[in-house]
Amino acid sequence: DVKVTQSSRYLVKRTGEKVFLECVQDMDHENMFWYRQDPGLGLRLIYFSYDVKMKEKGDIPEGYSVSREKKERFSLILESASTNQTSMYLCASSTSTGGESLETQYFGPGTRLLVL
Amino acid sequence: AQKITQTQPGMFVQEKEAVTLDCTYDTSDPSYGLFWYKQPSSGEMIFLIYQGSYDQQNATEGRYSLNFQKARKSANLVISASQLGDSAMYFCAMRETNTGNQFYFGTGTSLTVIP
Repeated sequence: DVKVTQSSRYLVKRTGEKVFLECVQDMDHENMFWYRQDPGLGLRLIYFSYDVKMKEKGDIPEGYSVSREKKERFSLILESASTNQTSMYLCASSTSTGGESLETQYFGPGTRLLVL
Repeated sequence: AQKITQTQPGMFVQEKEAVTLDCTYDTSDPSYGLFWYKQPSSGEMIFLIYQGSYDQQNATEGRYSLNFQKARKSANLVISASQLGDSAMYFCAMRETNTGNQFYFGTGTSLTVIP
């Protein structure tokens, strides 16, 4: 059974704190993604990684950084949390494309972050 | 330009009735895949169904089917015999072969099943 886990389901932090959100997948997937989800805006891509130590900016990378030191782990870092980063954060992983059938992403359970 | 458009923010359906959730997409890549996900209030995203751009037949998975109209660039999700447990957010997504690592999501449709 495929598994993507996230370190916390709920998190409360103070403005200015450094926040680490961890994501681990056990499917040996090359690609990993961080999204934030806000009502009416759907899922917006923050960063993604297609290999260890590789990262690509998504649509809204400002205020975030990422780290991928091992294939199975992809961390999202909020260097100095702000109230407008209060959101639901979703991690996902997928295989790289190949062949005619494109594989789905597999999602973690999400982290609801509240920044006070 | 939006890659994926879902124009129905909210939908209601009577239990046991069928419902169609709309999705249109925009791509110039001849090879792509379309996905639908369900997100209950608990937050996890559940993969429902996949349609490849070269697939000749519409995809089906149990009570879910995908009405794929390639010329119109639409990939509507049809849920037959709605159940109370179908109440959730539904997201349409696309993955292109040429930019294969990235997924593009719509803004979602909130479905409420009425008993």
